[in-house]
Amino acid sequence: NAGVTQTPKFQVLKTGQSMTLQCAQDMNHEYMSWYRQDPGMGLRLIHYSVGAGITDQGEVPNGYNVSRSTTEDFPLRLLSAAPSQTSVYFCASSFGTTTYNEQFFGPGTRLTVL
Amino acid sequence: RKEVEQDPGPFNVPEGATVAFNCTYSNSASQSFFWYRQDCRKEPKLLMSVYSSGNEDGRFTAQLNRASQYISLLIRDSKLSDSATYLCVVTRLVSGYSSASKIIFGSGTRLSIRP
Repeated sequence: NAGVTQTPKFQVLKTGQSMTLQCAQDMNHEYMSWYRQDPGMGLRLIHYSVGAGITDQGEVPNGYNVSRSTTEDFPLRLLSAAPSQTSVYFCASSFGTTTYNEQFFGPGTRLTVL
Repeated sequence: RKEVEQDPGPFNVPEGATVAFNCTYSNSASQSFFWYRQDCRKEPKLLMSVYSSGNEDGRFTAQLNRASQYISLLIRDSKLSDSATYLCVVTRLVSGYSSASKIIFGSGTRLSIRP
């Protein structure tokens, strides 16, 4: 099992550019989520999904879109990158739609917006 | 006020010391509680779940006090390899069509063990 994979590992964007961060898991997990981590702020939930076709907003959804067309994939789209979106992005998944279960994280994508 | 609060540290203690972290949460509807560990520039990984009765895993002991709404983590006989950031995690149900639980992370407490 590869677990949770994220691509790319690093990315530099210019203000206004758009891009998609990829996340995939091969554990047949129903629950997937995206977080951003900034110094001193901890992990903040951007969007989450409890299954294919179902997504919902987290704490900081503005500027990001998600979709979940398959169980395995949960891409995060930045619509028009801004310097405030410079951060480390983590994708996570867990078995089941409640969160009593362990969250498995991908290795992260380090994004810089100039 | 953040829903989950932790002392950011850093805690700098000698090898072999006992160190304790606390975490407080503000929503009394919180359901489940965890400690995650995050090494520098790595992803978080589950350290242990926290139960009302308290639980122990080797040198690590976690406790939950629902009445006071805090969680603690005790590390005994600390090792150099314990140096990391420890994240307090709380979950609660979210109303809405998805009826899923929401996971809230604290901002973490940084621990540095010196030889």
